[in-house]
Amino acid sequence: EAGVAQSPRYKIIEKRQSVAFWCNPISGHATLYWYQQILGQGPKLLIQFQNNGVVDDSQLPKDRFSAERLKGVDSTLKIQPAKLEDSAVYLCASSSAQGFGQPQHFGDGTRLSIL
Amino acid sequence: KQEVTQIPAALSVPEGENLVLNCSFTDSAIYNLQWFRQDPGKGLTSLLLIQSSQREQTSGRLNASLDKSSGRSTLYIAASQPGDSATYLCAVNDNAGNMLTFGGGTRLMVKP
Repeated sequence: EAGVAQSPRYKIIEKRQSVAFWCNPISGHATLYWYQQILGQGPKLLIQFQNNGVVDDSQLPKDRFSAERLKGVDSTLKIQPAKLEDSAVYLCASSSAQGFGQPQHFGDGTRLSIL
Repeated sequence: KQEVTQIPAALSVPEGENLVLNCSFTDSAIYNLQWFRQDPGKGLTSLLLIQSSQREQTSGRLNASLDKSSGRSTLYIAASQPGDSATYLCAVNDNAGNMLTFGGGTRLMVKP
């Protein structure tokens, strides 16, 4: 079974620029999550999708962050404009169902550095 | 709001030692608790998942316990090896859905 795929692995941009990350979940997984992991901290959930609908985006800074999952499979996370404090690893995860304690499977993440 | 704390933040032990990692959470109304391993530059690998009705789960040299009423979980690693060196994260799944709240992790170094 192929795992969660993320790209790019690394991205370096200057502040105020825009950036986008891509995630392809495990085949058949209906639920997709985006997490932000700042160095030395645990991941923090940004947004959760069930198929192509948003379940929770309460911790997503909506003035600069956006995410979509148009066909209920792949997802993109965008930051525009980026700030220095956005430097982090952005992790994507997927699970086979929502609200039933199914384990989440993580990709290797995209490491974002803001100059 | 759920808060998860892991102690210690870092731990260095000689190879062969048995060790315990601690995790505490503030809201006991959880659905399950999960322990993950994270290697440098990598994503998270699930180690053990304990449902709220369970007291412990075992996988090889790993044993995780859950005391929901006191808001605590421990991860026991027997006969540690250098390959166990990684960051270990615990996460709780609250009853509002499959959303995980993570602790800050314990960075483990096992010296040969």
